[in-house]
Amino acid sequence: DAGVTQSPTHLIKTRGQQVTLRCSPKSGHDTVSWYQQALGQGPQFIFQYYEEEERQRGNFPDRFSGHQFPNYSSELNVNALLLGDSALYLCASSFTAGTGFGEQYFGPGTRLTVT
Amino acid sequence: AQSVTQLDSQVPVFEEAPVELRCNYSSSVSVYLFWYVQYPNQGLQLLLKYLSGSTLVKGINGFEAEFNKSQTSFHLRKPSVHISDTAEYFCAVSARIQGAQKLVFGQGTRLTINP
Repeated sequence: DAGVTQSPTHLIKTRGQQVTLRCSPKSGHDTVSWYQQALGQGPQFIFQYYEEEERQRGNFPDRFSGHQFPNYSSELNVNALLLGDSALYLCASSFTAGTGFGEQYFGPGTRLTVT
Repeated sequence: AQSVTQLDSQVPVFEEAPVELRCNYSSSVSVYLFWYVQYPNQGLQLLLKYLSGSTLVKGINGFEAEFNKSQTSFHLRKPSVHISDTAEYFCAVSARIQGAQKLVFGQGTRLTINP
């Protein structure tokens, strides 16, 4: 089992550009959540996708958008990049069971630097 | 809404000494509680979780935590630390409802082990 994978590992972009980050969930998982971790901070929830729809959203502007594909993989898109968007972007996958708790497994992250 | 406060941003200890990392939370609903560890340039790894049952939870690498509902705390402990425990530790909470819910993280505690 490959676990949660993310690509690319590192990315450098210029202010105003657009970026797409990718995530493949752990085998058997159907839900993907995205988090932003600024340097020296705890991760902050961006949004969560289930059944190809955004199910929950944190306090992030509309410049942050996402998508989930039929194979459960997901993309995070950020438009009009700002210097403050520089962070480690973490993807977490889980299984939305009919009952019980869905533990989240994290990928290694994508380090985005905006210059 | 939920929030998490990690009371110490940095904790230096000597190797083989005991350690306690403190975490307090607030929530208007019942919650699940977690501790994650993040090694340099890596994603998050789950150390332990409290879902229900016994308030003393044992995790990986010899760590344990105790859920105290009256004090809304979930402190992490290890009786004897090793150099390899040097890392950032995050306390997190999620609402106690079925399915995969967003995690709310604290700011993190940097644990430094000195020889």
